[in-house]
Amino acid sequence: QEQLVQSGAEVKKSGSSVKVSCKKSGDIFSTYPISWVRQAPGQGLEWMGGIIPMYGTLNYAQKFQGRVTITADESTLTVYMDLRGLTSDDTAVYYCAKSGSYRDGFDVWGQGTTVTVSP
Amino acid sequence: QSALTQPASVSGSPGQSITISCTGSSSDIGGYNYVSWYQQHPGEAPKLLISHVSHRPSGVSNRFSGSKSGNTASLTISGLQAEDEADYYCRSYTPTATQVFGGGTKLTVL
Repeated sequence: QEQLVQSGAEVKKSGSSVKVSCKKSGDIFSTYPISWVRQAPGQGLEWMGGIIPMYGTLNYAQKFQGRVTITADESTLTVYMDLRGLTSDDTAVYYCAKSGSYRDGFDVWGQGTTVTVSP
Repeated sequence: QSALTQPASVSGSPGQSITISCTGSSSDIGGYNYVSWYQQHPGEAPKLLISHVSHRPSGVSNRFSGSKSGNTASLTISGLQAEDEADYYCRSYTPTATQVFGGGTKLTVL
């Protein structure tokens, strides 16, 4: 069964960093991209970037270039999203999501991780 | 890459059909058949309804259908049910292998 399980909620200070993890079930091949999508309170979905774990191939949305780092540790089947320079605008639910390729839809989603940034 | 444009809200009565539009450009929707649609109920993760413009994944009701014309994609829900009340998002692939979502549409079942 394909499944993505994310780390728990985080409360961070403005200016700090947060690292969210996303553990894949063994049924999800390493050649499938894992993306990060966030959703601010009452707002829509926003794609941040993705990685193909087997190759380490990265793709970031221009908006987050230089501020986000996505990594993968295949030994633990875990993908990480590290976001730096947090502001209150980064308060959101962060989801990881799997697709067959970057062209395909996101067919498996993590449960979401709430990140709250305080002043 | 600018977000795709969706109506903020649509509504319909049980049993009726509704259509949600998603407008982009020749650089995203118009350039590729890689549009997908998602349903999101409050407090839940999104769920894939449609991929590749009109493909329905296994397990998704055939009341949901997708199409595309030029730079605009559409999601049609037929035989509206109370459980269809949710937020709906479109998404497109772009030339730089990135993704762009629509702003979301809130569906109210009257």
